[in-house]
Amino acid sequence: GAGVSQSPRYKVAKRGQDVALRCDPISGHVSLFWYQQALGQGPEFLTYFQNEAQLDKSGLPSDRFFAERPEGSVSTLKIQRTQQEDSAVYLCASSLAGLAGVQETQYFGPGTRLLVL
Amino acid sequence: GENVEQHPSTLSVQEGDSAVIKCTYSDSASNYFPWYKQELGKRPQLIIDIRSNVGEKKDQRIAVTLNKTAKHFSLHITETQPEDSAVYFCAASNAGGTSYGKLTFGQGTILTVHP
Repeated sequence: GAGVSQSPRYKVAKRGQDVALRCDPISGHVSLFWYQQALGQGPEFLTYFQNEAQLDKSGLPSDRFFAERPEGSVSTLKIQRTQQEDSAVYLCASSLAGLAGVQETQYFGPGTRLLVL
Repeated sequence: GENVEQHPSTLSVQEGDSAVIKCTYSDSASNYFPWYKQELGKRPQLIIDIRSNVGEKKDQRIAVTLNKTAKHFSLHITETQPEDSAVYFCAASNAGGTSYGKLTFGQGTILTVHP
């Protein structure tokens, strides 16, 4: 079946612009995670959704970052007033379960590479 | 919170040799340890994982070992092939309590297999 997809794959923004990054998880997957991957580093957790509920946003670096998943499927990560330090690959991952104590495999999308000039 | 350290940062081997990558973690409550392979410009792909109730797991040329007492786990790749060349990430998570399985990743190991 179809895997996790993300769009756009590449985004160039001028400093101060707002951007919106889209994630389409695997159909039926309850859990959705956003991660930020800086060049040469491992992914870092940003936020977590269980269906439409955002249960953990402890990794969002500032209040310029906002994420939503209004219908429990597609998710959008929005970054307002982008800064150069926001340049990174933004990865989305989904997994089947949303139960505490149950660890399911996370399947990653290809990522959106954001460059802020 | 959890902290995962990964070594070495780069690893170069000859085709056919074995490769070992090691990770340590800080949170004794972590109970799930996946390994991801990421080729340049591609998505991370799960290659093997281990849970805390198991000490070792093998899948063909790949094996993972876990020492919960010492809080470290390792990836072993035998009979390496050029197509094994990629960046490998270890990760840890705690799916218990109110944690929903967010992954904490190591810094990555660039593995190069020379023909």
